[in-house]
Amino acid sequence: GQQVMQIPQYQHVQEGEDFTTYCNSSTTLSNIQWYKQRPGGHPVFLIQLVKSGEVKKQKRLTFQFGEAKKNSSLHITATQTTDVGTYFCAGPTPNFNKFYFGSGTKLNVKP
Amino acid sequence: DAGVIQSPRHEVTEMGQEVTLRCKPISGHNSLFWYRQTMMRGLELLIYFNNNVPIDDSGMPEDRFSAKMPNASFSTLKIQPSEPRDSAVYFCASSSSGTGLAKNIQYFGAGTRLSVL
Repeated sequence: GQQVMQIPQYQHVQEGEDFTTYCNSSTTLSNIQWYKQRPGGHPVFLIQLVKSGEVKKQKRLTFQFGEAKKNSSLHITATQTTDVGTYFCAGPTPNFNKFYFGSGTKLNVKP
Repeated sequence: DAGVIQSPRHEVTEMGQEVTLRCKPISGHNSLFWYRQTMMRGLELLIYFNNNVPIDDSGMPEDRFSAKMPNASFSTLKIQPSEPRDSAVYFCASSSSGTGLAKNIQYFGAGTRLSVL
């Protein structure tokens, strides 16, 4: 079954509203990575968090890695139409024998 | 750097035919991943190589699928015989397991869109 789940699966927001996607793994991850895939494109790396409890910001995007290194979140403040796409979390197990990609959250932003 | 290069970009074939997808990872990267993406199943990891050795192939759907990495600069994913349910976009990605900030970041190719009729 799916090891890394993301919720929600879909999110429709009005431009300017905030957006959050949550990532939950059934197993501890060595690090968490976030990727964005635009419609018709390929996943593109956004950021990597390594430490338990780590928080990183990229302009309007805030990323968090849980204390147990099993969950993460991505929050976008004041969404823009350029934020449209599917956001994936991903990460390896501590021994790097497995690599899991999350189920993804598809974001649509209405102008 | 040219990035991860996949070929062909599009492939249309008939059921029962053999399909071979190709991937050239970024030079110096020692990990390579094959993914399949469909609307129904999302992005699925098929197989993961490290230093040309398959580490995790638990995602390979069945015996019709096989992947090889004969050297550090080339990998193939073969489907024989192909079936309509194999229609999907297949992505290849590579990463470096070395040190530094770029460690383990995956760089994806543009993908191969496969249609099996």
